[in-house]
Amino acid sequence: QVQLQESGPGLVKPSQTLSLTCTVSGGSISAGSYYWSWIRQPAGKGLEWIGRIYTSGTTNYNPSLKSRVTISVDTSKNQFSLKLNSVTAADTAVYYCARVIWVHGAFEIWGQGTMVTVSS
Amino acid sequence: EIVLTQSPGTLSLSPGERATLSCRASQSVSSSYLAWYQQKPGQAPRLLIYGASSRATGIPDRFSGSGSGTDFTLTISRLEPEDFAVYYCQQYGTSPSFTFGPGTKVDIK
Repeated sequence: QVQLQESGPGLVKPSQTLSLTCTVSGGSISAGSYYWSWIRQPAGKGLEWIGRIYTSGTTNYNPSLKSRVTISVDTSKNQFSLKLNSVTAADTAVYYCARVIWVHGAFEIWGQGTMVTVSS
Repeated sequence: EIVLTQSPGTLSLSPGERATLSCRASQSVSSSYLAWYQQKPGQAPRLLIYGASSRATGIPDRFSGSGSGTDFTLTISRLEPEDFAVYYCQQYGTSPSFTFGPGTKVDIK
């Protein structure tokens, strides 16, 4: 079955760029009626949608993060990526990647999550 | 932006009891675009219900979803020990936007 795995640095300095990659295994990132998304969760808090990407490359972002976020896809590697620039301590969170059911906008499959701390 | 409110914040129940969780939206949400998730400590959320009432693959039939418009409900008919967790509702709307409710914690009484 399809699995997702986040990877990237666990520690990022303030004002720098957070970069994460989600690797999709067990199936093609281009198959089926899905798109791909990033969500984050600060410790002890709720879930915040960051953005989504179709395998065509079309993206949409949370307006509150739009000026700092870029999501890209590499279908040849079965991966999609997140870049968040000018980070502050407020960006410290567990970051999840997820597969989204096109028709229902539901996050069907999630990665295990990766903790990113913003600190000098 | 549509804001989701969940109640109660915490629900204290015993195994075997029925749990009823509420999700209220600030504007009408298409039933096709309302989902529920379960999250246990240290784990990623797990999709339970999509389209307001359809169970995701592998989800036991003790979980059911209902509702329309601005009021949606997740019901767990008989709580099993593994059901004690935090539950989130989520909507997908125009713009596009995805928003989550603040969560309801179901803990053991």
